[in-house]
Amino acid sequence: ETGVTQTPRHLVMGMTNKKSLKCEQHLGHNAMYWYKQSAKKPLELMFVYSLEERVENNSVPSRFSPECPNSSHLFLHLHTLQPEDSALYLCASSRFLWGVEGVGGELFFGEGSRLTVL
Amino acid sequence: AQSVAQPEDQVNVAEGNPLTVKCTYSVSGNPYLFWYVQYPNRGLQFLLKYITGDNLVKGSYGFEAEFNKSQTSFHLKKPSALVSDSALYFCAVRDSADKLIFGTGTRLQVFP
Repeated sequence: ETGVTQTPRHLVMGMTNKKSLKCEQHLGHNAMYWYKQSAKKPLELMFVYSLEERVENNSVPSRFSPECPNSSHLFLHLHTLQPEDSALYLCASSRFLWGVEGVGGELFFGEGSRLTVL
Repeated sequence: AQSVAQPEDQVNVAEGNPLTVKCTYSVSGNPYLFWYVQYPNRGLQFLLKYITGDNLVKGSYGFEAEFNKSQTSFHLKKPSALVSDSALYFCAVRDSADKLIFGTGTRLQVFP
């Protein structure tokens, strides 16, 4: 139990569907992240929020839309996805942006949402 | 550009034997290096980090990593592997903008 909860754990959707992934952290952290994990590829940073403000948008297609209503919640809204978007989507949080405060670097990850686009 | 490389997709080792998971890095300036582990159906968990100081860093679950500046490496090691160590291991480096850049991961399989 890392204190970061992601729902749903599994999602199957068609290319015309609209769905959302949810992430909630109970750690009092100020920064939250979305990563995409595909087999044999580096973890791909998608979005970063610090104090509910988006600070990173890593050239992600507009069919992925993040939302951070408060520092404890992060959403990833999905619309008209492609089969190549099938992957494990990981949410993470840290006390400060990138865990930077003197030392830092420690992110706390959720268990991920496994997305399959048909 | 800053990057990490994990040259092995998979490492196989017998239980009780020492294990090494390799990582090399490319950064400008002093490297901040990290290892994370991902057990099946789990998110990533922080294992250990190198910021400065002693080249041998000790972390969770008996793991350690050796920083070698001349070889730009940060290999993960454990003296005696357990079957429960079987997982996906990620090396990461902090870049000049403080972002964490992850490698492709190495799958460790420990056989009884």
